[in-house]
Amino acid sequence: AQKITQTQPGMFVQEKEAVTLDCTYDTSDQSYGLFWYKQPSSGEMIFLIYQGSYDEQNATEGRYSLNFQKARKSANLVISASQLGDSAMYFCAMKSIWDDKIIFGKGTRLHILP
Amino acid sequence: DTAVSQTPKYLVTQMGNDKSIKCEQNLGHDTMYWYKQDSKKFLKIMFSYNNKELIINETVPNRFSPKSPDKAHLNLHINSLELGDSAVYFCASSQETSGGVVETQYFGPGTRLLVL
Repeated sequence: AQKITQTQPGMFVQEKEAVTLDCTYDTSDQSYGLFWYKQPSSGEMIFLIYQGSYDEQNATEGRYSLNFQKARKSANLVISASQLGDSAMYFCAMKSIWDDKIIFGKGTRLHILP
Repeated sequence: DTAVSQTPKYLVTQMGNDKSIKCEQNLGHDTMYWYKQDSKKFLKIMFSYNNKELIINETVPNRFSPKSPDKAHLNLHINSLELGDSAVYFCASSQETSGGVVETQYFGPGTRLLVL
């Protein structure tokens, strides 16, 4: 069965520091995609970054990068130079090419301190 | 020019009532989804439609009935609302997965349902 694990329920980080949010996954499929979503207090789900299982390079989108370690089945999100507006809930998710549904982790609540 | 939109944004209603939530996407996607986010923020898929056909139906009570009049719309109708139905309901859409590429799902703003 597929599973996403986010071991950090909450994190406090000083503004301007880099942040790493952990995510490990479990799947027996070879083709899959990994996603990170941000949910601010306003409630919407914002897509941040995507990594395909066959992508050789780590995905990057502005201040977000995904540290993909396939052998370890980890897909950590790195936020560089954190800002107050980064305070939010962050969800790691996975979708197999053979399945129509995304599996979400339980989320990490990130607090950026001024 | 919102990509995935939902109405209403807030819905407060009495137990036993019937209500509907509407979802529309203007991204030209083939697949649409309904998710439920509970009070602990856990997101779980409820339904998925591809080109108006139901492809995922998780273990959801049959009081919940999705309807897709066309591939740009996926509405959720809930009969006989119960207290436990209080949650945030998200609609999402994606292109159909093909060619070995997993497509990103884009979410609507959510509908906050409170059953009294």
